[in-house]
Amino acid sequence: DVVVTQSPLSLPVTLGQPASISCRSSQSLVYSDGNTYLNWFQQRPGQSPRRLINKVSNRDSGVPDRFSGSGSGTDFTLKISRVEAEDVGIYYCMQGTHWPYTFGQGTKLEIK
Amino acid sequence: EVQLVESGGGLVQPGRSLRLSCTASGFTFGDHGISWVRQAPGKGPEWVGFIKSIVYGGATEYAASVKGRFTISREDSKTTAYLQMNSLKSEDTAVYFCARGRGSYWGQGTLVTVSS
Repeated sequence: DVVVTQSPLSLPVTLGQPASISCRSSQSLVYSDGNTYLNWFQQRPGQSPRRLINKVSNRDSGVPDRFSGSGSGTDFTLKISRVEAEDVGIYYCMQGTHWPYTFGQGTKLEIK
Repeated sequence: EVQLVESGGGLVQPGRSLRLSCTASGFTFGDHGISWVRQAPGKGPEWVGFIKSIVYGGATEYAASVKGRFTISREDSKTTAYLQMNSLKSEDTAVYFCARGRGSYWGQGTLVTVSS
């Protein structure tokens, strides 16, 4: 199985400051169709996961533009330009290129 | 508005069976694959399985931990997907979510507890 490794696992951030989460996969995530199926999800306490970013850098509908994704191959990053209180939760990267699809361990973002 | 609603969860004894349903609305159900993802208490999500659209033959994939015990099917006329779970084990205890495709939209989840 493809192992997806996130860092850091805990991310205390001051309101209004930027935040960054790294995600590395054990294999290239480029699919045979040329797409790279690396997604980012946010899970707020008590809620279902919500996809923020699909295929590395495409923001899903309704996602604030302070969220951005980048990367290629095996190294990816989620950035939040200015953290707001509503961003508290756990962030997961997930690869949808190789079956079984796998998630990273999760990064818990909290307000400092 | 895209909606997915899971149902069928509950308390079940080890070794017994349970069938979950995922009823969708707000999009053309037949055009999309449907995933089942579970999340054990305090843990991260785990992709359980996936069923492709009929256009792609309705092919299925399963995680090794459930292969041979779980079966995913779909009934496009009812915009519903199913997760048949047999020979349940305590380690199958989790909230089970259905999601469209590779997770573009998720339901609210249904809790399955396997315990005697």
